[in-house]
Amino acid sequence: ILNVEQSPQSLHVQEGDSTNFTCSFPSSNFYALHWYRWETAKSPEALFVMTLNGDEKKKGRISATLNTKEGYSYLYIKGSQPEDSATYLCAFIGVGGSTLGRLYFGRGTQLTVWP
Amino acid sequence: DAGITQSPRHKVTETGTPVTLRCHQTENHRYMYWYRQDPGHGLRLIHYSYGVKDTDKGEVSDGYSVSRSKTEDFLLTLESATSSQTSVYFCAINTGAKQYEQYFGPGTRLTVT
Repeated sequence: ILNVEQSPQSLHVQEGDSTNFTCSFPSSNFYALHWYRWETAKSPEALFVMTLNGDEKKKGRISATLNTKEGYSYLYIKGSQPEDSATYLCAFIGVGGSTLGRLYFGRGTQLTVWP
Repeated sequence: DAGITQSPRHKVTETGTPVTLRCHQTENHRYMYWYRQDPGHGLRLIHYSYGVKDTDKGEVSDGYSVSRSKTEDFLLTLESATSSQTSVYFCAINTGAKQYEQYFGPGTRLTVT
């Protein structure tokens, strides 16, 4: 089983604060790294799919970076809003055979933004 | 909308009874997955399928079996339900594009009493 670690486990911030979380994954046999946003009582939805070292993705106030050589990705939220409250999951995909397509999820970072 | 439905959406069952959850997709995608959601654990993979009759175990497969006799349906069976299997179960598919980005169904809340 591959180890995908996310930190912190939970985060509480005030509206307007900027925040970031970390996802650590194996630096060998890298294929892709996904970020998902998971609101309470809903299903996870993809935010970003990243494949190249140095990739930067942005969607509104949320952005992500990728370092495949050292095995980490950062997710940034600028000017957090209450509607950003959710669990943010990262998932690693490695290269190879029948495991291609299998995601290894971290345990998530639960973000709460207080008004 | 990736056309994924799960049934039932809610179920309460007794310990020791068999339970089957169904995941149905409308677009004939190859890869399908079953996950369970538990506090503090995020999503954990139970089983996945990469084609009709092609399935493999995930990290928490004990006590679960799956079948995929046609492309659109992926069934998850709890042969003899236990209280530790009380959870929310999510089915997911990926289209093979976008580096296997996954699309999730609405979830099934299962309670084993």
